[in-house]
Amino acid sequence: DAGVIQSPRHEVTEMGQEVTLRCKPISGHNSLFWYRQTMMRGLELLIYFNNNVPIDDSGMPEDRFSAKMPNASFSTLKIQPSEPRDSAVYFCASSRVHTEAFFGQGTRLTVV
Amino acid sequence: RKEVEQDPGPFNVPEGATVAFNCTYSNSASQSFFWYRQDCRKEPKLLMSVYSSGNEDGRFTAQLNRASQYISLLIRDSKLSDSATYLCVVNRGGGADGLTFGKGTHLIIQP
Repeated sequence: DAGVIQSPRHEVTEMGQEVTLRCKPISGHNSLFWYRQTMMRGLELLIYFNNNVPIDDSGMPEDRFSAKMPNASFSTLKIQPSEPRDSAVYFCASSRVHTEAFFGQGTRLTVV
Repeated sequence: RKEVEQDPGPFNVPEGATVAFNCTYSNSASQSFFWYRQDCRKEPKLLMSVYSSGNEDGRFTAQLNRASQYISLLIRDSKLSDSATYLCVVNRGGGADGLTFGKGTHLIIQP
């Protein structure tokens, strides 16, 4: 299995632009998570899906952030408009329900 | 109180020494517990699950104390390659999926 695949690996964008991060979970996993990691706050859970349905988005910082999972093999996290304080590493992870999560390699986002 | 608390370190330990980390968690509904390892600029990777009876994997031993809500990790005969950040992780419990991560303990093994 290829593991969780994220794209792009690096993204540099200007403030105000739309950013879309992509994730392909491990086949057979029915839970998908988006995390954000910064030095100050560590790893924070933004949102998770179970069987493609968003279950808890209480970690999404504000309305500029949105996430979708149109099918079992694909999810997106969108930031519109982006701001410099959104700069972080964004990880996607997947798991079978209530088991350990496997992470993708992350997207390092820089908003200038 | 933070959901998962860890000493951030860094712990500077000579090669071959034994080192122990603890973490505490606040959510008594948590049912699953893990230690993850994260190398610099890499993704977190599962090191081991933690069971109530305690469990061992080679040089690594994990223990869980539910009454006191703390988790420990012991590394024996430390290697240079053990240098990393170790993340204490608990599930959110109460039927909710998703893992809550501590901010990690930074370990540096010195030759």
